[in-house]
Amino acid sequence: AQSVTQLGSHVSVSEGALVLLRCNYSSSVPPYLFWYVQYPNQGLQLLLKYTTGATLVKGINGFEAEFKKSETSFHLTKPSAHMSDAAEYFCAVTFSGGSNYKLTFGKGTLLTVNP
Amino acid sequence: GAVVSQHPSRVICKSGTSVKIECRSLDFQATTMFWYRQFPKKSLMLMATSNEGSKATYEQGVEKDKFLINHASLTLSTLTVTSAHPEDSSFYICSARGHFRGSGTTDTQYFGPGTRLTVL
Repeated sequence: AQSVTQLGSHVSVSEGALVLLRCNYSSSVPPYLFWYVQYPNQGLQLLLKYTTGATLVKGINGFEAEFKKSETSFHLTKPSAHMSDAAEYFCAVTFSGGSNYKLTFGKGTLLTVNP
Repeated sequence: GAVVSQHPSRVICKSGTSVKIECRSLDFQATTMFWYRQFPKKSLMLMATSNEGSKATYEQGVEKDKFLINHASLTLSTLTVTSAHPEDSSFYICSARGHFRGSGTTDTQYFGPGTRLTVL
């Protein structure tokens, strides 16, 4: 079974400050990891993903995440927050194989950006 | 690429009526589609997984006779909420994964914009 834990249901940062959203996963097989962003009353937009290869992945809007197997983590970072980054962020895990790539989501982290 | 649309974006209906929500992949063939339900300030709850041409696989606790899913083509899946009641009011989101022209099957789910259902 796989699971995702997002530490902090709400993170608040100042505009221009570092954004760090934490995600830890549990999986008995090599995971595929995703970060999605959701703006109010909208669906989810893919920010970035890790499947294989380079452990530091870059995504859209200046976000990046690093897969650390030893720490079972996939934290999302952005060097400088922008007001438009305010949204809900979901970390998700799946794995290759016969699961249809069903995603297991974390509970989400609401990011607010203060002027 | 990887655009998924949903229709309608918002629907209000009376208790006891049925509502159909469409999910379309616009630029790829969706071999697998997923239907989720999201409660306010909550994460996504997977309701069912459907493969084109096959019956949907429902998650535990989801009533298959209540939430009818049809995946009749590689670009369209529908969710019908039958005999809707106020407790069915929610935000329903679909996602899809499949084949892009000229490449293999994607391991990524692409999400639609969601449908807000309100049952009076």
